[in-house]
Amino acid sequence: QKEVEQNSGPLSVPEGAIASLNCTYSDRGSQSFFWYRQYSGKSPELIMSIYSNGDKEDGRFTAQLNKASQYVSLLIRDSQPSDSATYLCAVNLSNYQLIWGAGTKLIIKP
Amino acid sequence: GAGVSQSPRYKVAKRGQDVALRCDPISGHVSLFWYQQALGQGPEFLTYFQNEAQLDKSGLPSDRFFAERPEGSVSTLKIQRTQQEDSAVYLCASSFSGGVTGELFFGEGSRLTVL
Repeated sequence: QKEVEQNSGPLSVPEGAIASLNCTYSDRGSQSFFWYRQYSGKSPELIMSIYSNGDKEDGRFTAQLNKASQYVSLLIRDSQPSDSATYLCAVNLSNYQLIWGAGTKLIIKP
Repeated sequence: GAGVSQSPRYKVAKRGQDVALRCDPISGHVSLFWYQQALGQGPEFLTYFQNEAQLDKSGLPSDRFFAERPEGSVSTLKIQRTQQEDSAVYLCASSFSGGVTGELFFGEGSRLTVL
């Protein structure tokens, strides 16, 4: 059974601090990795994608991938209350299927 | 339209009824996915279309579930003889590229409640 694991949280972070979200996956053949943000009652929206080992930065967001450890993370710098949401990690199982984690609920405290 | 549109947004069905959920993807998007999302869980893959071809339907939970995209644009997910365990949010997503390498754009979902 292929799996994607995330800590369900909630993860509480003070405003302005760095939020660190983690995800592990079981399929060593996975090549595409995504972080989606989902506000309560809304649909997921893409935050970051990463395909190779190392770091990828986009504004306040940095995705980190370590294929040897089967680990992908998302760092959010200068956290804002508007960042409060559930963050979903998704990993490709095949060309057509993504496996999704259950999500980590992030709360940014003003 | 500007985004992925799903209808109805909310559907209440009595157990045993048939339901049809519609998805209108972003114009020109090749790929269309259907997902099922239970409360507090991530989306679960149901099926994938590339244009009008259904290339993967391995996630459909039973033969009561059927999806089509006859002209390569609008898609319908049909659930026959609904059961209580079918209660969930059904998400449709589309993508410009084939497969899952690109960004998925999600609709707002159709929340199905089976009584």
